[in-house]
Amino acid sequence: GAVVSQHPSWVICKSGTSVKIECRSLDFQATTMFWYRQFPKQSLMLMATSNEGSKATYEQGVEKDKFLINHASLTLSTLTVTSAHPEDSSFYICSAIGLGLASNEQFFGPGTRLTVL
Amino acid sequence: DAKTTQPPSMDCAEGRAANLPCNHSTISGNEYVYWYRQIHSQGPQYIIHGLKNNETNEMASLIITEDRKSSTLILPHATLRDTAVYYCIVPLISGGYQKVTFGTGTKLQVIP
Repeated sequence: GAVVSQHPSWVICKSGTSVKIECRSLDFQATTMFWYRQFPKQSLMLMATSNEGSKATYEQGVEKDKFLINHASLTLSTLTVTSAHPEDSSFYICSAIGLGLASNEQFFGPGTRLTVL
Repeated sequence: DAKTTQPPSMDCAEGRAANLPCNHSTISGNEYVYWYRQIHSQGPQYIIHGLKNNETNEMASLIITEDRKSSTLILPHATLRDTAVYYCIVPLISGGYQKVTFGTGTKLQVIP
């Protein structure tokens, strides 16, 4: 099946710094990528949807200036958490849907665990 | 989008079939039912999906009732590695793609 990778798998940073998380589709071209956030013992919450070459669409309550999303190519989307604070510590997961994939299903990455000190 | 309801948790003995129910009584005629699972600290994994016919693949079987208001995911021979949270999802079609909204899912514990 289609493979989505994320980098890094985990990151620890100081409060006030920015962190960039990459999401790549390895063997297909991703027309649309999604970013989710998951707090401990909770379900995944959709943060935003990004289409290659256009601005991301953010879900209600998600600050677009804090969570910068760039989908510059058909295989790469990045999420930058700007001025991170401890409350941003979470598990960030991306998913992608791609050109020519039969069922239009989403393929999920392995997630990135962010810890802000 | 169609809301789904699942029991919060279930136990299953190793080697036995695990039957995970899901109610989706507001599903519309052209909406699919998808099942994903999430093993602890990993990204969700696709399991199976269906529209109205029963489906089977190497991982599981999906039984959808005739009125499509509920479905059951069957893991025929559960192993310890099947311990995970299982999500039943009816994606919303928006802008030409599926918008997946995760509920709370069913936490399946496979017991030795």
